[in-house]
Amino acid sequence: SQQGEEDPQALSIQEGENATMNCSYKTSINNLQWYRQNSGRGLVHLILIRSNEREKHSGRLRVTLDTSKKSSSLLITASRAADTASYFCATGPYNTDKLIFGTGTRLQVFP
Amino acid sequence: DARVTQTPRHKVTEMGQEVTMRCQPILGHNTVFWYRQTMMQGLELLAYFRNRAPLDDSGMPKDRFSAEMPDATLATLKIQPSEPRDSAVYFCASGFRGEGLAGPSTQYFGPGTRLTVL
Repeated sequence: SQQGEEDPQALSIQEGENATMNCSYKTSINNLQWYRQNSGRGLVHLILIRSNEREKHSGRLRVTLDTSKKSSSLLITASRAADTASYFCATGPYNTDKLIFGTGTRLQVFP
Repeated sequence: DARVTQTPRHKVTEMGQEVTMRCQPILGHNTVFWYRQTMMQGLELLAYFRNRAPLDDSGMPKDRFSAEMPDATLATLKIQPSEPRDSAVYFCASGFRGEGLAGPSTQYFGPGTRLTVL
């Protein structure tokens, strides 16, 4: 079964707006990661947040983690057309290399 | 600029034929993963290796799929015989798992092999 489920499945916004994507997972984690996939390409790692962290920033990205609710969110501020892609959260059990990916959120940013 | 490479990028074959996909992980990485992505199932982990040893292939149909790492610079995924339901994009990813790391490390993905089985 999938470890992460993203919400919403699809999101359309205008350039300059913020985009928020949510992820829920089922079991205890060591870390949670977010990846981006442009159409027809491989996934690209965006950010990793550890289970003892609550918030992390990287450029225009802000990730939060609530382990009590088993949820995470990815916020992209001041979105650009180039941010158009699918975004996946991924996590896995302790003491493993495995990442189980969620279903992804398709983000469309209109110029 | 270190990257994971995969060959071929596209493969069209007929049902029953053998398919071999190759992956060159990033030099120095010690974990290699094979994933399959379809619209219906999303991204599924098929198998992974650490230090060339297979650690988990529970996601792989064992009767027709096999994954190997002949050496540290090459990982292969074979399908024999191929079936139309194997049509998908197959991704290879690599990462570095250090001693003492308790959870999954960052993974670096290749561009994928788009397989079509007619």
